[in-house]
Amino acid sequence: RKEVEQDPGPFNVPEGATVAFNCTYSNSASQSFFWYRQDCRKEPKLLMSVYSSGNEDGRFTAQLNRASQYISLLIRDSKLSDSATYLCVVNPLTQGGSEKLVFGKGTKLTVNP
Amino acid sequence: NAGVTQTPKFQVLKTGQSMTLQCAQDMNHEYMSWYRQDPGMGLRLIHYSVGAGITDQGEVPNGYNVSRSTTEDFPLRLLSAAPSQTSVYFCASTQAGSNQPQHFGDGTRLSIL
Repeated sequence: RKEVEQDPGPFNVPEGATVAFNCTYSNSASQSFFWYRQDCRKEPKLLMSVYSSGNEDGRFTAQLNRASQYISLLIRDSKLSDSATYLCVVNPLTQGGSEKLVFGKGTKLTVNP
Repeated sequence: NAGVTQTPKFQVLKTGQSMTLQCAQDMNHEYMSWYRQDPGMGLRLIHYSVGAGITDQGEVPNGYNVSRSTTEDFPLRLLSAAPSQTSVYFCASTQAGSNQPQHFGDGTRLSIL
């Protein structure tokens, strides 16, 4: 099993749609989780951290299921500007910092007018 | 608010040439990392550093050297460039602590002929 696995997509959705991305990770001891967004030919940028209790930031909701080793990202009311590749990121370290993050290959989203 | 600065942004090399990719951060982050991103492969960790004078290997270190003489700078050296090293290279930095996200530079697009 790969360390971090994502459905590569692509996902093509109309504006206003709700879309969900899933991610699984193999290391049960992993301690922190993130969703990053990467636009074409740009650097990855933090979208949101993922907390055990689940967290929401505007139209974006992230959830973590440690028992199933599963992370999700829900985007409501999709905008054209949401078109990007979404990277699931896991910190497998049980102590220390975030110097060895493991990135999924990303899920590509295109929001159509 | 420069953040993480990478130079150059683009470079073309011939096989066998050597060069150094520069990375500097002005956020006083302890941790710095180098990744390469190839189509369909996602981001892969090359080398990382948890502080000045300390470096370690990531997933794909062969053909690359790093040093960390100051907190701010983390250069990546290609010893003898090979076509397989054609890629987009990202430098990232993060604060100490497992829940801290990484901040990325704009990337260096490197082609080896």
